[in-house]
Amino acid sequence: GQSLEQPSEVTAVEGAIVQINCTYQTSGFYGLSWYQQHDGGAPTFLSYNALDGLEETGRFSSFLSRSDSYGYLLLQELQMKDSASYFCAMSVSGGFKTIFGAGTRLFVKA
Amino acid sequence: EAGVTQFPSHSVIEKGQTVTLRCDPISGHDNLYWYRRVMGKEIKFLLHFVKESKQDESGMPNNRFLAERTGGTYSTLKVQPAELEDSGVYFCASSQEGARVYFGPGTRLLVL
Repeated sequence: GQSLEQPSEVTAVEGAIVQINCTYQTSGFYGLSWYQQHDGGAPTFLSYNALDGLEETGRFSSFLSRSDSYGYLLLQELQMKDSASYFCAMSVSGGFKTIFGAGTRLFVKA
Repeated sequence: EAGVTQFPSHSVIEKGQTVTLRCDPISGHDNLYWYRRVMGKEIKFLLHFVKESKQDESGMPNNRFLAERTGGTYSTLKVQPAELEDSGVYFCASSQEGARVYFGPGTRLLVL
């Protein structure tokens, strides 16, 4: 079957670094994406990894290991506004179908 | 560039009634998706259009749900008759190459 697993909740303090892990199971894997969703809002795209390694975009970095079916999102210099749900999502079926995990709720404390 | 738009933003209906949700994707995006998020749970895939054709509708819960995409432009998702468990936020999304998906603001559906 197709599934993704990520922690349901993570709490960290302002200014810290937090890593949100994601493991996946599927055939026909194309890549792993990360989305952020604030309460009441739409999910917004953060990053995409098609190849193994680390992709860095400002304070956010995303990592993929295809051999381990594993990825993570790294958030540095946490700010209060980073409190949100973070979803990992895998692209399958030729890259045109995106399946989402259950999301990780990140709480950033002062 | 206008984003994905959805209408209505909210809908409150009674069990047994019919509701039709509309989605206008980003102009030029051939891929259109419908997702649903029930409170606190994952964003669940419902179906995927490529232009006007249903590419994958494996996530549609049952035959009370009908999606159409006339002319490969906007799409509608009709729920008839609605049940209590259909409550949730229905997101439409579109993409061109597939890897980056752009979401609309969602329609919050409450079935009483």
